[in-house]
Amino acid sequence: AQSVTQPDIHITVSEGASLELRCNYSYGATPYLFWYVQSPGQGLQLLLKYFSGDTLVQGIKGFEAEFKRSQSSFNLRKPSVHWSDAAEYFCAVGGYQKVTFGIGTKLQVIP
Amino acid sequence: ETGVTQTPRHLVMGMTNKKSLKCEQHLGHNAMYWYKQSAKKPLELMFVYSLEERVENNSVPSRFSPECPNSSHLFLHLHTLQPEDSALYLCASSQEWDSYGYTFGSGTRLTVV
Repeated sequence: AQSVTQPDIHITVSEGASLELRCNYSYGATPYLFWYVQSPGQGLQLLLKYFSGDTLVQGIKGFEAEFKRSQSSFNLRKPSVHWSDAAEYFCAVGGYQKVTFGIGTKLQVIP
Repeated sequence: ETGVTQTPRHLVMGMTNKKSLKCEQHLGHNAMYWYKQSAKKPLELMFVYSLEERVENNSVPSRFSPECPNSSHLFLHLHTLQPEDSALYLCASSQEWDSYGYTFGSGTRLTVV
């Protein structure tokens, strides 16, 4: 069975600081991996996805993620956080016709 | 209008009421989904429709009844709900059932009183 673990429920960073959100997955084959962002009162928006190829994936809003097969990880990064990045972030793993989401990491950005 | 649109945005209903949630997508996608989002829990997939045919029903109680009259519209009919059904209900669509790159609507915040 596929699963996703986001070990950090809540993270606080200062504006301008770097950010890394952790995601670990369990899947029997090469997974499809995703990061979504949800602003308050909104649905989820796709930030980036990994299907195959280059393990460093660039997404929207200046985010990137790196697929590390040996660590079963797909961590999300941003070099400099903006106040508008405050939101909840969801990692997801996709297998054949099924997508499993993590419980999310809520990001707080302080001035 | 583009994207996935859900109405209403907020809904308060009594346990004996009947109401419906509506989802509309203008993306030409062939697959549509209902998800339930509760606090501190992963998103729960409720129903999947592919080409207007229900292809997945994840052990959802019968008080939730989906309907997909065409590939652009998806409904979730609600009746005799329980307070624990209070949640954010999200609709999503994708090009095909196995495309994975979902586009989500903004959701309907449902409160059952």
